[in-house]
Amino acid sequence: EAGVAQSPRYKIIEKRQSVAFWCNPISGHATLYWYQQILGQGPKLLIQFQNNGVVDDSQLPKDRFSAERLKGVDSTLKIQPAKLEDSAVYLCASSVDRLGLGYTFGSGTRLTVV
Amino acid sequence: QQQVKQSPQSLIVQKGGIPIINCAYENTAFDYFPWYQQFPGKGPALLIAIRPDVSEKKEGRFTISFNKSAKQFSLHIMDSQPGDSATYFCAASMPDKLIFGTGTRLQVFP
Repeated sequence: EAGVAQSPRYKIIEKRQSVAFWCNPISGHATLYWYQQILGQGPKLLIQFQNNGVVDDSQLPKDRFSAERLKGVDSTLKIQPAKLEDSAVYLCASSVDRLGLGYTFGSGTRLTVV
Repeated sequence: QQQVKQSPQSLIVQKGGIPIINCAYENTAFDYFPWYQQFPGKGPALLIAIRPDVSEKKEGRFTISFNKSAKQFSLHIMDSQPGDSATYFCAASMPDKLIFGTGTRLQVFP
């Protein structure tokens, strides 16, 4: 079974620039999550999708972050404009359902904002 | 009330030692407690998990001990190996909610 695919693996941008990350979940997984993991900390949920609907985006900084999952499969997370404190690893995860069955993480995108 | 407190922040043991990582939670609505192992450059991977109706679960060299009344749980790694060197995260879960601890960086020296 293929895992959760994320790209790019690394990104370096200047502050105030924009950046986008892409995630392809495991086939058949209806629930998709984006996490932010700052160095030395545990992952923090940014947004959770169920199919193409948002379940929880309470921790998403909506003034600069946006995410979509238009066809209920792939998802993109965008930051515009980026700040220095956005430097982190952005992890995508997926599960079969909202109960978390089969919860699997991708390898993440490491973002450095300079 | 949604926090999961994890300690220690880092741990160094020799090969064959038994590192122990401790976690505590507040919200009694959590009903599933997984542990994740994360290697550098990789996402967290599920290691072992327990539900609050059991006090202990073993899978290979990894054991979770769970104390429901104290709202605490811990991970023990028996006969630790250098390949176990990684960051370990405890977590607490309920539907639509997975809260991670702050992580423990484990180093196992030969």
